[in-house]
Amino acid sequence: QKEVEQNSGPLSVPEGAIASLNCTYSDRGSQSFFWYRQYSGKSPELIMFIYSNGDKEDGRFTAQLNKASQYVSLLIRDSQPSDSATYLCAVAPQAGTALIFGKGTTLSVSS
Amino acid sequence: GAVVSQHPSRVICKSGTSVKIECRSLDFQATTMFWYRQFPKQSLMLMATSNEGSKATYEQGVEKDKFLINHASLTLSTLTVTSAHPEDSSFYICSARIQDFMYFGPGTRLTVT
Repeated sequence: QKEVEQNSGPLSVPEGAIASLNCTYSDRGSQSFFWYRQYSGKSPELIMFIYSNGDKEDGRFTAQLNKASQYVSLLIRDSQPSDSATYLCAVAPQAGTALIFGKGTTLSVSS
Repeated sequence: GAVVSQHPSRVICKSGTSVKIECRSLDFQATTMFWYRQFPKQSLMLMATSNEGSKATYEQGVEKDKFLINHASLTLSTLTVTSAHPEDSSFYICSARIQDFMYFGPGTRLTVT
């Protein structure tokens, strides 16, 4: 059973702080990794993807991947109240297959 | 970017009736689409993989006779919930994949009374 694990939270951070979201996955052969943001009642939207070990930065977001530890993280710098949402970690076991999602971490950014 | 649409966005039906949900890829052709279901406070659970021109592949525990999937064209997949019951009330989301990227439709909120 391929699994993706996330701490459900809620993770509460003050405005301007760094939010750190973590994810582990069970399938060592997984190829690609994604972070989606989901607002209540809406479908997920892609915010970051990463394929290789190391860090990938895009604006205020940094994704980190460690395949040896089967660990993916997302850092959100200068957190804003509008970042308050559920963040879903998703893993693609193979190219072209459906993504496997974690249960998501709820982030709350207070102003 | 790629766009996936769903219709209807919200539907309320009576127990025992059937409901059809449409998923369209608006600016690309999708030979494969995916149907997910999400219960409150839960993650997205893959229900089935819809393949254009062939039978859908269902995940373990998903009743293929209850959740009928038809992928008749490269831009349209439909999910029909047959003989719906209150426990089928959920948020149904379709998605399509282009290379490594999964694009989601806006979702359909189904409520069965």
